[in-house]
Amino acid sequence: AQTVTQSQPEMSVQEAETVTLSCTYDTSESDYYLFWYKQPPSRQMILVIRQEAYKQQNATENRFSVNFQKAAKSFSLKISDSQLGDAAMYFCAYRSAGGTSYGKLTFGQGTILTVHP
Amino acid sequence: DGGITQSPKYLFRKEGQNVTLSCEQNLNHDAMYWYRQDPGQGLRLIYYSQIVNDFQKGDIAEGYSVSREKKESFPLTVTSAQKNPTAFYLCASSREVFTGELFFGEGSRLTVL
Repeated sequence: AQTVTQSQPEMSVQEAETVTLSCTYDTSESDYYLFWYKQPPSRQMILVIRQEAYKQQNATENRFSVNFQKAAKSFSLKISDSQLGDAAMYFCAYRSAGGTSYGKLTFGQGTILTVHP
Repeated sequence: DGGITQSPKYLFRKEGQNVTLSCEQNLNHDAMYWYRQDPGQGLRLIYYSQIVNDFQKGDIAEGYSVSREKKESFPLTVTSAQKNPTAFYLCASSREVFTGELFFGEGSRLTVL
């Protein structure tokens, strides 16, 4: 079974600075997807960024980028120029690309990000 | 606007009662999911459905039941057999099973008194 681990329960950053959230995962599969989701105080989960395992290039979405290290099974999220609206719980998630577990997202425990003005 | 609607947002229940949480989507997605979220834990999958009239158990299905009679609707019933039902419940959908991106509703908070 796949597992996702976020070792940082809480992180904080000053507005306009950069912060990196860590995520590691364990899988025996070669083809899969990785995601970062944001859950603001409203509690609705919002997709931040996704990475296909077969792509070597790291995904980027505006101020959000990932560092995907497939061999190390590491998938960190970097938030540049942090804004107050970035404050939220961030979840790393894994999804198999096929097999019997298709359709199932496995989530990490989450990291609470606080942004200080 | 397309999206996922969950109701009610807040629900209180006495022990021994069943309760049904509603989830409706107008995204024309085939797949729908129910997750449970507890403090300090990530989301855990309760049930999922890839197509109408078909659904599979997730990791924590005991004490829950679902139906998928319509593409748009995937209600979750929390039965009296669920030992610790107080939690935040999230419904999600995706266009097809391999796209990877799930769209979530705003959630339902269930409290058992």
